[in-house]
Amino acid sequence: GAVVSQHPSRVICKSGTSVKIECRSLDFQATTMFWYRQFPKKSLMLMATSNEGSKATYEQGVEKDKFLINHASLTLSTLTVTSAHPEDSSFYICSAATGLNQPQHFGDGTRLSIL
Amino acid sequence: KQEVTQIPAALSVPEGENLVLNCSFTDSAIYNLQWFRQDPGKGLTSLLLIQSSQREQTSGRLNASLDKSSGRSTLYIAASQPGDSATYLCAVRSNSGYALNFGKGTSLLVTP
Repeated sequence: GAVVSQHPSRVICKSGTSVKIECRSLDFQATTMFWYRQFPKKSLMLMATSNEGSKATYEQGVEKDKFLINHASLTLSTLTVTSAHPEDSSFYICSAATGLNQPQHFGDGTRLSIL
Repeated sequence: KQEVTQIPAALSVPEGENLVLNCSFTDSAIYNLQWFRQDPGKGLTSLLLIQSSQREQTSGRLNASLDKSSGRSTLYIAASQPGDSATYLCAVRSNSGYALNFGKGTSLLVTP
């Protein structure tokens, strides 16, 4: 149980492209989803927390207009990297939980490479 | 701000050895602490979660301890196997928020 699916697993695209990443909870309802970013040899860093039906809460230093998060249903959250640039290249991982105080279950991540 | 440190950064052991991975955190006001496993290019698999009121958790060959007052946790792996090779991440959730604060991980290689 508690399976989180993230798609796509790998994206390579040109600078200026917008990229959408999906995070789905397959067998449970996720009222809360988290988006993390991991640079090579660095820790995972939380980017934003999204609750179903409300606006996402972004961590300090994360541009909300750059990283658009939508959590329109209890099983799906999307992260759109708008007008991506090479410095946005990273490993993006989502997690989902049935509530803010519940354990987070992670997807397999998306490797984003901007040329 | 919660800072999480993991030592060692990398570890190589022969199969069958028992080993200990260390995690330390700066703010003892934690809600829980979690150990994850990450395989190359993959997401995270939760191994053990210790609530702030607990001292340890066990699952199979894994045992995690928590000493909140000293800001430390250890992950003990008994009778290591090549399949245990992965990066092990320690994550702390503070009382002040919902975010998980991760260490940089310990990269473990178990050789046959």
